[in-house]
Amino acid sequence: DQQVKQNSPSLSVQEGRISILNCDYTNSMFDYFLWYKKYPAEGPTFLISISSIKDKNEDGRFTVFLNKSAKHLSLHIVPSQPGDSAVYFCAASPLGSGTYKYIFGTGTRLKVLA
Amino acid sequence: DAGVIQSPRHEVTEMGQEVTLRCKPISGHDYLFWYRQTMMRGLELLIYFNNNVPIDDSGMPEDRFSAKMPNASFSTLKIQPSEPRDSAVYFCASSLGRGRLFFGSGTQLSVL
Repeated sequence: DQQVKQNSPSLSVQEGRISILNCDYTNSMFDYFLWYKKYPAEGPTFLISISSIKDKNEDGRFTVFLNKSAKHLSLHIVPSQPGDSAVYFCAASPLGSGTYKYIFGTGTRLKVLA
Repeated sequence: DAGVIQSPRHEVTEMGQEVTLRCKPISGHDYLFWYRQTMMRGLELLIYFNNNVPIDDSGMPEDRFSAKMPNASFSTLKIQPSEPRDSAVYFCASSLGRGRLFFGSGTQLSVL
């Protein structure tokens, strides 16, 4: 069973517009969440994170929102650029439980059209 | 810093053969992870080590898979015997404490 779900395998957005990538999780023990970006033939690279004590974290064009009651997080990219075209993975971990495991979703392929 | 180094980048082998994937974590990092990427399951955690000791191997698919970390700068993931369904990209990642993961470039494994 997939504890971290990214239900949209792909997303296309026009350059300059907002990209919204969604992620749902089932385990209420998860208290730390990350987004990774992956280009072809490369390993995933860290993008942004959020702790469960917050509901929003911003870093430049990237903002992550966390809705704990809905067990949902989203990544907003504004404005989207062609260089943002990649596969985005969300990951979750129950850091507070003493277990150190990052569980990843299946990824969403974002294509930003010029 | 060279980052996490994995070898080989590509491995093509025949069913039944032994496959060994290698990883050199970032110097000073005390956690090492092995992940497998497939279309169906995304990035799937296989096993992770802390200070060279395996902590959780519940993601290892079956006894054909084994992983070792003989010292702080080297780890291997071995598949024996390999099967076509093992074809995937295998990533190694390391971290310092419970921080974010740094991934290697991966090994593309094809089992014919």
